Amino acid sequence: AQSVAQPEDQVNVAEGNPLTVKCTYSVSGNPYLFWYVQYPNRGLQFLLKYITGDNLVKGSYGFEAEFNKSQTSFHLKKPSALVSDSALYFCAVREIDTGRRALTFGSGTRLQVQP
Amino acid sequence: EAGVAQSPRYKIIEKRQSVAFWCNPISGHATLYWYQQILGQGPKLLIQFQNNGVVDDSQLPKDRFSAERLKGVDSTLKIQPAKLEDSAVYLCASSSHYGYTFGSGTRLTVV
Repeated sequence: AQSVAQPEDQVNVAEGNPLTVKCTYSVSGNPYLFWYVQYPNRGLQFLLKYITGDNLVKGSYGFEAEFNKSQTSFHLKKPSALVSDSALYFCAVREIDTGRRALTFGSGTRLQVQP
Repeated sequence: EAGVAQSPRYKIIEKRQSVAFWCNPISGHATLYWYQQILGQGPKLLIQFQNNGVVDDSQLPKDRFSAERLKGVDSTLKIQPAKLEDSAVYLCASSSHYGYTFGSGTRLTVV
């Protein structure tokens, strides 16, 4: 079975500072990994994904994430946070080697960027 | 391209009543998913369709939830009878080789 852990319910950071939102995963085989953002009363908005290749993935709005196979992690990062980045962030995984294409999500991390 | 359409956006019902949600995926996407997102939690898969066939419904509470995807295009999810714990946002998503797209969801409140 596949699973995702987001150990922090909330991350607080000052505007202009770097931010990190943590994610670890568990799959039997090789993973596809995703980050989504959710604003109030909105659906899930795609940020970035890791499929294969370079471990550092760049996505929308200046976000990036680093795939670390040995630590089974896929932390989301941004060099300089904006107040408008305040939202709920979800990490998700899908196992490549099975026919099960559905994503499994973590519990979410609320990012609060203070001005 | 147009996104995944869901309706209604909001629904309030009393417990033991029935309710139905509708989803129209992105044109050409063969795979469709329904997720339940309870407040403060991540989305949880209820059911996955490939065209009009069910691929995975292992987490669907089949005594009260049902879903169908006739003709392999749009889909409906039904709850009958609803319980208080069914209060959640119900997200529909569709996927292709290139990725997943989520609708805005239906927020269900059971009182």
